Amino acid sequence: QSALTQPRSMSGSPGQSVTISCTGTSSDVGAYNYASWYQHHPGKAPKLVIYDVTKRPSGVPDRFSGSKSGNTASLTISGLQAEDEADYYCCSYATTSVLFGGGTKLIVL
Amino acid sequence: EEQLLESGGGLVQPGRSLRLSCAASGFTFSTYAMTWVRQAPGKGLEWVSGISYSGDNRYYADSVKGRFTISRDNAKNTLYLQMNDLRAEDTALYYCAKDLRSFTLIGDVFDYWGQGTLVTVSS
Repeated sequence: QSALTQPRSMSGSPGQSVTISCTGTSSDVGAYNYASWYQHHPGKAPKLVIYDVTKRPSGVPDRFSGSKSGNTASLTISGLQAEDEADYYCCSYATTSVLFGGGTKLIVL
Repeated sequence: EEQLLESGGGLVQPGRSLRLSCAASGFTFSTYAMTWVRQAPGKGLEWVSGISYSGDNRYYADSVKGRFTISRDNAKNTLYLQMNDLRAEDTALYYCAKDLRSFTLIGDVFDYWGQGTLVTVSS
């Protein structure tokens, strides 16, 4: 049960796009199309922004999109806005457990 | 509106026990798998344990296996986490979370989260 690997921090200017990667193994991210992403502002509950690799819950702006290639899932945020500054976590089903990534702190410059 | 309200956290000495509760409302609790996720101070999210909608299937992270027990009372719309032999590394904010999909054995997509209850293990 090793955590998924994410970059510790990323940054971008308003209006730009950023892509956060999440690398697992052929037993989790690579094995299933069940990767999900959460936005977490300090002091608040995490918020689901992407699930099943590419699906967006209702109410999540279409600026948020997901993809996967092999053992790596990715979250892309386009048209960055100040309120996107937060911690982002990927998550994957792993048969008898669930794995989170270590989290990526996104800074909007 | 779906709501989850955790309780039961507090300061506890190493080796002691604590039971967390999560009261659910606004959805048909008995049809959704439920999960506990924790966040240690300054650290990321960690999946702790999950339970199927019926309660028949239970799953644990290696870090808590043998010490923590997840359970649910579908008549009371409540999720529990019994934590025994607590260690300093169990210090964290504990969230309960609802699975997006109904009738699953293990929740892996969490559409609603509580605000968390803080557990501090220290002498």
